[in-house]
Amino acid sequence: SQTIHQWPATLVQPVGSPLSLECTVEGTSNPNLYWYRQAAGRGLQLLFYSVGIGQISSEVPQNLSASRPQDRQFILSSKKLLLSDSGFYLCAWSDPGARVSEAFFGQGTRLTVV
Amino acid sequence: GQNIDQPTEMTATEGAIVQINCTYQTSGFNGLFWYQQHAGEAPTFLSYNVLDGLEEKGRFSSFLSRSKGYSYLLLKELQMKDSASYLCAVRDRRKADSWGKLQFGAGTQVVVTP
Repeated sequence: SQTIHQWPATLVQPVGSPLSLECTVEGTSNPNLYWYRQAAGRGLQLLFYSVGIGQISSEVPQNLSASRPQDRQFILSSKKLLLSDSGFYLCAWSDPGARVSEAFFGQGTRLTVV
Repeated sequence: GQNIDQPTEMTATEGAIVQINCTYQTSGFNGLFWYQQHAGEAPTFLSYNVLDGLEEKGRFSSFLSRSKGYSYLLLKELQMKDSASYLCAVRDRRKADSWGKLQFGAGTQVVVTP
């Protein structure tokens, strides 16, 4: 069966510090991968979307970046965090070859920038 | 792009029925999803509609009208554990991608009271 791992679960970082969140998927190949951010009491904002290794679509201009160095690895990074980067970050995957191709989410990382 | 609108909050009594409406505008429709999200947790997939009509899955049903850009999620026999945020998400069809990306609405907070 397929699983998605996302870590860390919680993170407190000072303003101006770097960020690296990692997400890996097991049990599938060539997944579509997503990074979403959810501010408190708000919906999910799509940040990055990837259909293959090295292929990243950025949905929102910001100081975050994403990379996909391996087929089932998706990394969210920042060189210098801002206070506004605080939020709940969710990684997700979907199978582009499946009939429904719903997104399956990791457990999320709650980031607080102080 | 897409605009996805759903009510912010709904309150209903245990055992009752609640209908959550979602309207959307998209340049290329490729499916509508409903997700449930409990506070502090990741969203979980509930239902999928790509053709017009009603899809029933236990106590949950979802309806789609593509011509009207409209969907609803119907929750029957409400239980206390159904208190959660319900997210409507639309997948668009993009020429550059194999399957398209998911965009989410802000979510509807359902409060079930005894």
